[in-house]
Amino acid sequence: EAGVAQSPRYKIIEKRQSVAFWCNPISGHATLYWYQQILGQGPKLLIQFQNNGVVDDSQLPKDRFSAERLKGVDSTLKIQPAKLEDSAVYLCASSRGGADTQYFGPGTRLTVL
Amino acid sequence: EDKVVQSPLSLVVHEGDTVTLNCSYEVTNFRSLLWYKQEKKAPTFLFMLTSSGIEKKSGRLSSILDKKELFSILNITATQTGDSAIYLCAARFGNEKLTFGTGTRLTIIP
Repeated sequence: EAGVAQSPRYKIIEKRQSVAFWCNPISGHATLYWYQQILGQGPKLLIQFQNNGVVDDSQLPKDRFSAERLKGVDSTLKIQPAKLEDSAVYLCASSRGGADTQYFGPGTRLTVL
Repeated sequence: EDKVVQSPLSLVVHEGDTVTLNCSYEVTNFRSLLWYKQEKKAPTFLFMLTSSGIEKKSGRLSSILDKKELFSILNITATQTGDSAIYLCAARFGNEKLTFGTGTRLTIIP
């Protein structure tokens, strides 16, 4: 079974620029999550999708972050404009349902200069 | 606010030693507790615990949950250099969201 795929693996941008990350979950997994992990901290949930609907986006900074999962499979997370404090690893995870084990992708390391 | 606290923050031991990692949580409608191992970037799943007092075991790793005292431990026996990683604990609360601790960085010296 293929795991969660993410791209790019690394991204370096300057502040105020825009950036987008892509995630392809495990086949058949209805629930998809985006997490932000700042160095030295645990992952923090940004947004949770169930199929193509948003379940929880309470910790997503909506003035600059957006995410979509239009067809209920792949998802993109965008930051526009980026700030220095957005430097982190962005992890995508998926699960069969909200109460099931979450499996993580390799992450994207974002550096904002 | 739901909270998960892990200790110690970091631990350095020699190969062959046994280690115990701790995770405590403050609960609002607690459902389950999960342990992940994070090497480089992607956390990989180790255990999910839902019942108190029942040990889960996988090779040299084992974990147990105490729902009365609100904590879990992860034990690793006969440690190897490949066990060096950050170990993350996460608690699932009533809304099914996972709240992660900051992790324990384990370093195994050959």
